[in-house]
Amino acid sequence: DAGITQSPRHKVTETGTPVTLRCHQTENHRYMYWYRQDPGHGLRLIHYSYGVKDTDKGEVSDGYSVSRSKTEDFLLTLESATSSQTSVYFCAISESEVNNQPQHFGDGTRLSIL
Amino acid sequence: KNQVEQSPQSLIILEGKNCTLQCNYTVSPFSNLRWYKQDTGRGPVSLTIMTFSENTKSNGRYTATLDADTKQSSLHITASQLSDSASYICVVSEYGGATNKLIFGTGTLLAVQP
Repeated sequence: DAGITQSPRHKVTETGTPVTLRCHQTENHRYMYWYRQDPGHGLRLIHYSYGVKDTDKGEVSDGYSVSRSKTEDFLLTLESATSSQTSVYFCAISESEVNNQPQHFGDGTRLSIL
Repeated sequence: KNQVEQSPQSLIILEGKNCTLQCNYTVSPFSNLRWYKQDTGRGPVSLTIMTFSENTKSNGRYTATLDADTKQSSLHITASQLSDSASYICVVSEYGGATNKLIFGTGTLLAVQP
């Protein structure tokens, strides 16, 4: 298994509070991604990073920000959580974007916003 | 609109039987097609990746096929085991030059019963 650790694994919080999810990798891969998974939808990309301090938006980035200060860590922040952000969040890593390399996924963070 | 559609949504089979899962896509330009297995409560795990020029690829008891002309793929599972119970996700990579975009299907939920 690829060395990807997501924390926390479960979190319950209230609307309007800030939330930060952490993804830590031990593979030294350049690319890191944050996805959300909701019933009836395929995984959807929130943000991704192609290097330290290099990030870009995905298709569902509104309400989320990210930071990557070290190769191994990629943080996802919900500045003011809303109930629509209740979801399972997955971090993924890959060596390359265009060489048909697989993305390796962490085991997810289940976030509930009440 | 680029889409990935999977069928059936869910499937129940008896241990030891074979099954085939379908994936149709409208993604263009095409880069590659991936199949992932996602166990309950875990992140997706890559099974196969196929490029335009590959029409079949195996990973143990899993065999994926690709018909790029009709934009269809299938995942065949041979001699199913209880551990095959999972969601199987078809993912198509849209070619984007420097970065590709992954478009995820909603998955087929497979239950293997003893």
